[in-house]
Amino acid sequence: DQQVKQNSPSLSVQEGRISILNCDYTNSMFDYFLWYKKYPAEGPTFLISISSIKDKNEDGRFTVFLNKSAKHLSLHIVPSQPGDSAVYFCAASGGNTGNQFYFGTGTSLTVIP
Amino acid sequence: DVKVTQSSRYLVKRTGEKVFLECVQDMDHENMFWYRQDPGLGLRLIYFSYDVKMKEKGDIPEGYSVSREKKERFSLILESASTNQTSMYLCASRSQGRELFFGEGSRLTVL
Repeated sequence: DQQVKQNSPSLSVQEGRISILNCDYTNSMFDYFLWYKKYPAEGPTFLISISSIKDKNEDGRFTVFLNKSAKHLSLHIVPSQPGDSAVYFCAASGGNTGNQFYFGTGTSLTVIP
Repeated sequence: DVKVTQSSRYLVKRTGEKVFLECVQDMDHENMFWYRQDPGLGLRLIYFSYDVKMKEKGDIPEGYSVSREKKERFSLILESASTNQTSMYLCASRSQGRELFFGEGSRLTVL
């Protein structure tokens, strides 16, 4: 049973516009959430995280929003650049999951020049 | 910078062969993980280890085993490779700081 879901397999955005990637989770015990970016034939690289005590975390062009009541998080990229084209995974951990991270299925972002 | 190194980027094996995938991290992390990534399925946890000689099954351990004899090294073993184990294998490590650091991945093809 998928505890972390990314319902959009792909997303295309014009360069300079905002990219919004969404992620939903089912386990209310999750308290730490991360986004990873992955290029083909490379390992995922950490992008940004958020703990459940916050509802927003910013790092440059990347902002993650957490809505605990809706069990939903989103990653905003503003402005989008062609180099942002990659697969983005959200991940969650916490509570009774111990050391385990649960990943979504990924969203492939294409930024069109 | 944390470095997680996976021994082989690309491997081609035959059905029934024994396969070793090795992973080394250089940051003295306690926890190490093996995931596989398949299209449409995301990253799925095979095994993880929170200390030397300790291991825990993840979501899809069947057909795999692991070994952690030294803190920096975590090996994934396919005792008898099958075609449904063709995948991208990703090793990761983390400290108590909670984010995962991944290696570059090992693309395994089983013929």
